[in-house]
Amino acid sequence: AQSVTQLGSHVSVSEGALVLLRCNYSSSVPPYLFWYVQYPNQGLQLLLKYTSAATLVKGINGFEAEFKKSETSFHLTKPSAHMSDAAEYFCAVRGGRGSGYSTLTFGKGTMLLVSP
Amino acid sequence: EAGVTQFPSHSVIEKGQTVTLRCDPISGHDNLYWYRRVMGKEIKFLLHFVKESKQDESGMPNNRFLAERTGGTYSTLKVQPAELEDSGVYFCASSQEAGTIAKNIQYFGAGTRLSVL
Repeated sequence: AQSVTQLGSHVSVSEGALVLLRCNYSSSVPPYLFWYVQYPNQGLQLLLKYTSAATLVKGINGFEAEFKKSETSFHLTKPSAHMSDAAEYFCAVRGGRGSGYSTLTFGKGTMLLVSP
Repeated sequence: EAGVTQFPSHSVIEKGQTVTLRCDPISGHDNLYWYRRVMGKEIKFLLHFVKESKQDESGMPNNRFLAERTGGTYSTLKVQPAELEDSGVYFCASSQEAGTIAKNIQYFGAGTRLSVL
């Protein structure tokens, strides 16, 4: 069965600082992994995805994530935070309860707070 | 191109009432998903349509929830009668296909925030 753990419900950084949001997964099959972001009053927007190609995945808005099989991790990073990055971030793995390979299993989300 | 749209954005009802949520997927997307996020919890799968057919509804909490997708276009999710524990944000997502990963990117709507008092 698939599951996702996001460490830290809230992460605070200063503008210009490194952003690191942690995600660990459990999957009974080779995983497809995703990071979504939700800005206030908007829908979930796909940041990036891992689909078993390159282990370092680059996404939108300067974010990237590295798939580490040995650590079952898919942490999200950005070298320099902007105020506009303040949002809630969700890590997800494809598969789980439901249509098996098709549905998404989400972590609880991490709220990123960026201070001036 | 329009994204996934959901109506209403907010709904406040009393326990025992009925509420219907609507989702309009991206045009041409055969797959439509409903998810729910209860406050403080993770987003959880409810059900999956392929066109007008329910592919899987194993995530539906109980028989007070009824989802339909007539004609394979928009979908509705009815809660009748609503209970306090039904409060949360209901998300809808759509994708082109379910099989290949490239075409199974799920695009989400902004959600409907349901408050049952």
